[in-house]
Amino acid sequence: NAGVTQTPKFQVLKTGQSMTLQCAQDMNHEYMSWYRQDPGMGLRLIHYSVGAGITDQGEVPNGYNVSRSTTEDFPLRLLSAAPSQTSVYFCASSYDGGPGTFNEQFFGPGTRLTVL
Amino acid sequence: GQSLEQPSEVTAVEGAIVQINCTYQTSGFYGLSWYQQHDGGAPTFLSYNALDGLEETGRFSSFLSRSDSYGYLLLQELQMKDSASYFCAVRAYRSGNTGKLIFGQGTTLQVKP
Repeated sequence: NAGVTQTPKFQVLKTGQSMTLQCAQDMNHEYMSWYRQDPGMGLRLIHYSVGAGITDQGEVPNGYNVSRSTTEDFPLRLLSAAPSQTSVYFCASSYDGGPGTFNEQFFGPGTRLTVL
Repeated sequence: GQSLEQPSEVTAVEGAIVQINCTYQTSGFYGLSWYQQHDGGAPTFLSYNALDGLEETGRFSSFLSRSDSYGYLLLQELQMKDSASYFCAVRAYRSGNTGKLIFGQGTTLQVKP
């Protein structure tokens, strides 16, 4: 199993450009999520999904779109990149046992994004 | 809303014991988990407490007191490789689904020789 994979590893954008960060998992996990990590800010949840066709907002959703057409993939789209979106982005997935259950999160290696 | 508070930095010497505290506020509490992240790497799962008390996994233990909305991670026999950031996390209740997992800001542990 490859686990959670993310592409690209590094990306530099200019303000106003759009791009999609890719995330895929091969563990048949229902739950997938995107976090951004900035120095001193910890991991902040952007969007999450509890299954194909179902997405919901996290703590910092503005400027990002997601969709979940398959169980395996959960891409994150930046429609018009801004310097404030310079960050490290982590995708994570887990089994979903339903409300009240514990589900260990498995993280991808991250994408380091710089917006100039 | 949900919030978690952790100390930003902790320093200890090799072989010592260190405790990293976490206080939280959340609706529909499901349990407190801990993750470790080495510099430049991805977070990895360490421990989980759903009920009050102590959970032990080797040199690491985690404690939860639901009545105090408080937990801690205890690291014993510290090694240089334990130098990393440690995050507590809670799942925030969301009607109809599992809800979202929210992380604290992290505690950077520096282990000195």
